Amino acid sequence: GEDVEQSLFLSVREGDSSVINCTYTDSSSTYLYWYKQEPGAGLQLLTYIFSNMDMKQDQRLTVLLNKKDKHLSLRIADTQTGDSAIYFCAESFGGNQGGKLIFGQGTELSVKP
Amino acid sequence: EAGVVQSPRYKIIEKKQPVAFWCNPISGHNTLYWYRQNLGQGPELLIRYENEEAVDDSQLPKDRFSAERLKGVDSTLKIQPAELGDSAVYLCASSLDGGTGGVQTQYFGPGTRLLVL
Repeated sequence: GEDVEQSLFLSVREGDSSVINCTYTDSSSTYLYWYKQEPGAGLQLLTYIFSNMDMKQDQRLTVLLNKKDKHLSLRIADTQTGDSAIYFCAESFGGNQGGKLIFGQGTELSVKP
Repeated sequence: EAGVVQSPRYKIIEKKQPVAFWCNPISGHNTLYWYRQNLGQGPELLIRYENEEAVDDSQLPKDRFSAERLKGVDSTLKIQPAELGDSAVYLCASSLDGGTGGVQTQYFGPGTRLLVL
């Protein structure tokens, strides 16, 4: 079955890089995503990567995908206090499961000034 | 452009009472999703609509939960009767196209935080 796992907490200093990790079990996923959730708000899509790619860069964000190890990571360069939030990885599938997102439990990122 | 709108934002009820949540998706989005997010967890899909049709309700506890999306726009999620374990945040999301296997750009509302006492 589908399962997505993340570490629960990460604390960094402002200006450092943050790396948030995620592992998943179902290798048939078509896309993998990173969402950000700020307190009291819904989830905001940050970036995504197609399962046949191994890297995607978008400004301060770098996504790395190791399909062999079923490992996804999000690197945030020059982390700011405004990046403090909960980050969720998620995967989606094709076929008759199109439209379904499976989320991890979230990693709470704390950025200290 | 307005985002996904949900109401109420907060609801406190006693167990065994009914409760309803309302969602207005982004204009033009055919696909609507209801998720439940328990404390410290990621969202879990309850039901997905393509226009008026519920195309995936496999995770919806049908003994007490019901949902409708009349006219393929707004949607209502109801719980009757509520139980203590239903305390969670109920998120609504919408997307232009939900089921082709392509990239899933889902836009989430702020959620309704339900507390059952």
